[in-house]
Amino acid sequence: DGGITQSPKYLFRKEGQNVTLSCEQNLNHDAMYWYRQDPGQGLRLIYYSQIVNDFQKGDIAEGYSVSREKKESFPLTVTSAQKNPTAFYLCASTGTGTQPQHFGDGTRLSIL
Amino acid sequence: GQQVMQIPQYQHVQEGEDFTTYCNSSTTLSNIQWYKQRPGGHPVFLIQLVKSGEVKKQKRLTFQFGEAKKNSSLHITATQTTDVGTYFCAGPNTGNQFYFGTGTSLTVIP
Repeated sequence: DGGITQSPKYLFRKEGQNVTLSCEQNLNHDAMYWYRQDPGQGLRLIYYSQIVNDFQKGDIAEGYSVSREKKESFPLTVTSAQKNPTAFYLCASTGTGTQPQHFGDGTRLSIL
Repeated sequence: GQQVMQIPQYQHVQEGEDFTTYCNSSTTLSNIQWYKQRPGGHPVFLIQLVKSGEVKKQKRLTFQFGEAKKNSSLHITATQTTDVGTYFCAGPNTGNQFYFGTGTSLTVIP
């Protein structure tokens, strides 16, 4: 059954700590995206990658980093430089940049 | 930068009433997509419109794409409690960067 898997579902970060959110897809999609959603708000683009070994910053990339070493995987690291990381993080993928996006179930990140 | 705005931000309707959300982009979109996000869930794709002036229907939902490909609307006829959620429009610009609208949260009162 094809889809996108995000883990963990819930994550707690201590002050000064980097944490990594996992996103894996078996849809053979080229493009992958990371979004941040705050309560009652829309989706804001953090980073996106249209092909392996290449990625671009979205509107709110500061304090985040990504890698795209494999087509299936697009992990997001929330660094200690991100001072307000509490949010719902959604990963998505699509075959091309113009096709509909498929989303994972998301990761809820909170500060301890 | 590019902006995709939706109005209204929130809408409360009595069950059986109609509902419309409007989407406006600051730049031309190559296509417009609509997603629904249930409370606590993730956005789920509903439909895609590609052509200028296109209209598509899905049961009680009617979607329109504006002539200039910068605006769109979603209309729900006779809302039901299952329609509750946040509706997002979204689309790629000519550079294939994807933008989501600000969303309209729909509450249906039984």
